[in-house]
Amino acid sequence: GAVVSQHPSRVICKSGTSVKIECRSLDFQATTMFWYRQFPKQSLMLMATSNEGSKATYEQGVEKDKFLINHASLTLSTLTVTSAHPEDSSFYICSATRTGGSTEAFFGQGTRLTVV
Amino acid sequence: GENVEQHPSTLSVQEGDSAVIKCTYSDSASNYFPWYKQELGKGPQLIIDIRSNVGEKKDQRIAVTLNKTAKHFSLHITETQPEDSAVYFCAASIQSGTYKYIFGTGTRLKVLA
Repeated sequence: GAVVSQHPSRVICKSGTSVKIECRSLDFQATTMFWYRQFPKQSLMLMATSNEGSKATYEQGVEKDKFLINHASLTLSTLTVTSAHPEDSSFYICSATRTGGSTEAFFGQGTRLTVV
Repeated sequence: GENVEQHPSTLSVQEGDSAVIKCTYSDSASNYFPWYKQELGKGPQLIIDIRSNVGEKKDQRIAVTLNKTAKHFSLHITETQPEDSAVYFCAASIQSGTYKYIFGTGTRLKVLA
């Protein structure tokens, strides 16, 4: 099956700093990747849709200047949490769909961000 | 927009019994319905999916049923085992454009040995 790798799996950062999370499709090309945020014991909330070579589409209520998304290649999308604050602490998950119209989404293992 | 409701939020069953989780979606254009299992601290893993042109799909102990008219779909796990304990999410997607998924609220399944 297809593999999506997220890095890092855990990160602790100080308030005010920025953190970058990488999402890579290891054995397939992904024109579209999705970024989710998950609070403890809650569902996955879609933050943005990342399209290779174009600007990301953000869901309502998600600050695009706060959560910078770059999808510069068909196998890599990055999410940068800028000027992180404790309320940004969460579990961030990416998913990717194969280029060419596949229906199945493959999920990364998630990144636990803690802002202190 | 699309909304997906999921019930129950928690479910405890004895080992060997069956577990059923139900979801309801709102957008009649939805045509793809995956189910995910998420273990603590990990990303969701696809366990089974169904498309709108099919009413039922089975994979060993796991089955999914879809009622398009009622906009309901359900996950059935038979002969449950302790390792089935996890959080299960349903999702609905419109398979055109960007294939955006809308997730249900999740069901925490506990299989008691």
